[in-house]
Amino acid sequence: AQKVTQAQTEISVVEKEDVTLDCVYETRDTTYYLFWYKQPPSGELVFLIRRNSFDEQNEISGRYSWNFQKSTSSFNFTITASQVVDSAVYFCALSEEETDSWGKFQFGAGTQVVVTP
Amino acid sequence: NAGVTQTPKFRILKIGQSMTLQCAQDMNHNYMYWYRQDPGMGLKLIYYSVGAGITDKGEVPNGYNVSRSTTEDFPLRLELAAPSQTSVYFCASSYSSRRARNTEAFFGQGTRLTVV
Repeated sequence: AQKVTQAQTEISVVEKEDVTLDCVYETRDTTYYLFWYKQPPSGELVFLIRRNSFDEQNEISGRYSWNFQKSTSSFNFTITASQVVDSAVYFCALSEEETDSWGKFQFGAGTQVVVTP
Repeated sequence: NAGVTQTPKFRILKIGQSMTLQCAQDMNHNYMYWYRQDPGMGLKLIYYSVGAGITDKGEVPNGYNVSRSTTEDFPLRLELAAPSQTSVYFCASSYSSRRARNTEAFFGQGTRLTVV
């Protein structure tokens, strides 16, 4: 069963628009960790943020912000005032602690963000 | 800091050939992983290791083998390459302990493999 769902395949925006990426996860664990990674056209995977299941405080870091809601099993990511350099594939990932999946990262299919000037 | 180093970056194999993808990390991470990424898809776990001498299968282990003789190295072996193994392969590592659980994974630059 798919544990991490990123329903948006591709989002296209014009520079300076805001972009919100959806991530819905599924787990029976009470302790788990959520991550966002960015994969620019060059291909490497860049870590953006990690959240544990006990920390629902939302965060803003520069133009990035995250909205973690356990009640809806969602961990959404917003880019404010997008720039061309934000064009990339963004992956949401889940790491569970209490099951035999401990330590393994399960990735969503990714959302391609295209920012045009 | 080198981080996670993968070699080679590119490789073309003929059907039936074998090869080893090398992965090394210098961060003293206990966990290491091999993922494959098919075009337009997410990452699928092939094998992982929680420490030297311990390996386990992931989601798509068939056609691959791994070993973990040291903390630093985690090579992935492809035996009898098939076109279905054409993909980009990523090695990653992370650290997990009782005090630092499930920290983020650091990825290598990837190996683009084509089997023809």
